[in-house]
Amino acid sequence: SQQGEEDPQALSIQEGENATMNCSYKTSINNLQWYRQNSGRGLVHLILIRSNEREKHSGRLRVTLDTSKKSSSLLITASRAADTASYFCATYTGGGNKLTFGTGTQLKVEL
Amino acid sequence: SQTIHQWPATLVQPVGSPLSLECTVEGTSNPNLYWYRQAAGRGLQLLFYSVGIGQISSEVPQNLSASRPQDRQFILSSKKLLLSDSGFYLCAWSVLAGTDTQYFGPGTRLTVL
Repeated sequence: SQQGEEDPQALSIQEGENATMNCSYKTSINNLQWYRQNSGRGLVHLILIRSNEREKHSGRLRVTLDTSKKSSSLLITASRAADTASYFCATYTGGGNKLTFGTGTQLKVEL
Repeated sequence: SQTIHQWPATLVQPVGSPLSLECTVEGTSNPNLYWYRQAAGRGLQLLFYSVGIGQISSEVPQNLSASRPQDRQFILSSKKLLLSDSGFYLCAWSVLAGTDTQYFGPGTRLTVL
């Protein structure tokens, strides 16, 4: 399996609800990043959390990191239809230049 | 501010034809550059990265090659396309290697028929 694996693979919620996505990884990390991809578009960086941080906020986004469990979660509060996208976690592995992405969570926010 | 461009946006090519995808970055110097491929409904696979002009590292053996003729230009090429080369190709850049945020271009949708 991949270094970063998101769970669930797909999530459908109503506008205004919160969306939670989880990411698990295998090796030690310097930081973990979350990206968003709208259909057919490039990825957009959302937030970076360092290995010595446990929680980070950016607007309606809240990211947590548990290095003991090698897992992270992304919470989007008060979701909007515009949040419909795929969300990926990513980590650098082995001290090299390789940013490894998971297969992503497809989020659909319905009106 | 920095911007990254990719072209073309879409491309349909016959099997066996050559390929050239271009990526350019503006507003920064000596960026680290990356080529990724994304299959439908999947995550990203790193194909190549470059830390400087003429310096290319390949992550997976394949039918593709990359070149960096100028500081802010990254080119993905193939001499003869295969059906399996179809996919969504993304170029990205970062300031630092190994720990930094990557910034992605809009991508090129390649269909090989």
